[in-house]
Formats: sequence, structure tokens, C-alpha cells
Amino acid sequence: DPKIIQKPKYLVAVTGSEKILICEQYLGHNAMYWYRQSAKKPLEFMFSYSYQKLMDNQTASSRFQPQSSKKNHLDLQITALKPDDSATYFCASSQTGGSAETLYFGSGTRLTVL
Amino acid sequence: GEKVEQHESTLSVREGDSAVINCTYTDTASSYFPWYKQEAGKSLHFVIDIRSNVDRKQSQRLIVLLDKKAKRFSLHITATQPEDSAIYFCAASKMGTNTGKLTFGDGTVLTVKP
Repeated sequence: DPKIIQKPKYLVAVTGSEKILICEQYLGHNAMYWYRQSAKKPLEFMFSYSYQKLMDNQTASSRFQPQSSKKNHLDLQITALKPDDSATYFCASSQTGGSAETLYFGSGTRLTVL
Repeated sequence: GEKVEQHESTLSVREGDSAVINCTYTDTASSYFPWYKQEAGKSLHFVIDIRSNVDRKQSQRLIVLLDKKAKRFSLHITATQPEDSAIYFCAASKMGTNTGKLTFGDGTVLTVKP
């Protein structure tokens, strides 16, 4: 059974629209992350949360907003979508958010912006 | 910021041979170096890591070497098997920063031919 659930698996959006990517983890972890993998760049860190508080934000654009309604949820809202936002977005979690912890990844949401 | 370069974008070996994937990093403060594997159509999962207080670590058929002077680390897979075929990602982070951020290389596509 997958322990980190990402929904949807595939998502197609039009330029200018808004989408929410869902992530839930059932590993009992206290830290959650978003990473992005696009064709042009390596797997890229976006956000990290620990105990529902933002630890680090490496995303320059405010169009990307993480939302943590519960300890085991970290959704990603993306507004004013652009074609360059097309990528696979991976959610991950770890025990507490320490710097040398193993990350556990979800299966990803592949976003295509037309 | 940290940059991690993965030198082999693709690597093909015969079953039973060894495979070596090399990575270099730029930030001398980096001290934690994990490797992740992504099989076709699946998510990333952790395979092995090394911390900067050692220069070698082995887990069954996987060996990681770290050369801090050269800012280089490598993954050696011995006695390769077809199921080792996957994309391998190296990564680096600074211990003690408590953000959980990993900087990844571009990935190496390893193919093990029977």
C-alpha cells in the first residue's frame, strides 16, 4: 500500500488557471516536502514543512503556495499557471525534517499546462 | 547555492559487472550525501547514504565512496542484476540546517543487460 498518496496522478490545465495538488502521508512523519522534476532541470527542492510550520521556501514565485491543514497533509496550490510550470511534482516526507533524514517520496503528480 | 553534478547521464553494463556513478558537489559545507533510485514509472526511493565523517560505506552490493578534498562521491554497484536498471540520483545537503533540503544531480540511467 502506498504510504504517501498524491492526487491526481495526471493533471492537464490551461494557462492562467489554478490547481491544487494533494499530498497525504501515512508514515507518521512530522516533516513534509515538495520537489519538482521538469525536463529541463534536475529534481528541485520547493518547500519543507515541519510540524506544520514552514521551514524553507526555495520557490521564487508566490504563485506556489503550500497548504497544511493537518500534520499529514501538505497540498500545493498553484495559481496563474504557465506552460513552464509543466513538471512532475513530488511530495515527500521524513521523520522530523532534520538535515540527514531519509526522504520518502510519493508517486508524483504530472502537471501539463497548455 | 549548492550544485551537484552527476557525470554519467547514461550507463550500460553487462549483468554481473560493476557499475560506477560519479557525482561532484560545490559547497564545502555539504556533509550528507544520499542516493535515490527511480525505477520506470515509479517514485524515488532511498538506497544508501554517506556522511562526511567517513569515506566509505557498504550495504550489500552497494558501496559509496566520498572524497571530501575533491568534493566527489560515487556509487558502486557490484555484481549488477537486471533489476538494478533504473535512474539513480545523487544528492547533497548540509547537516545541521534543519530544512530537509536536498540538492539533486540530474540522474544517471543505468541499464543492466542480461
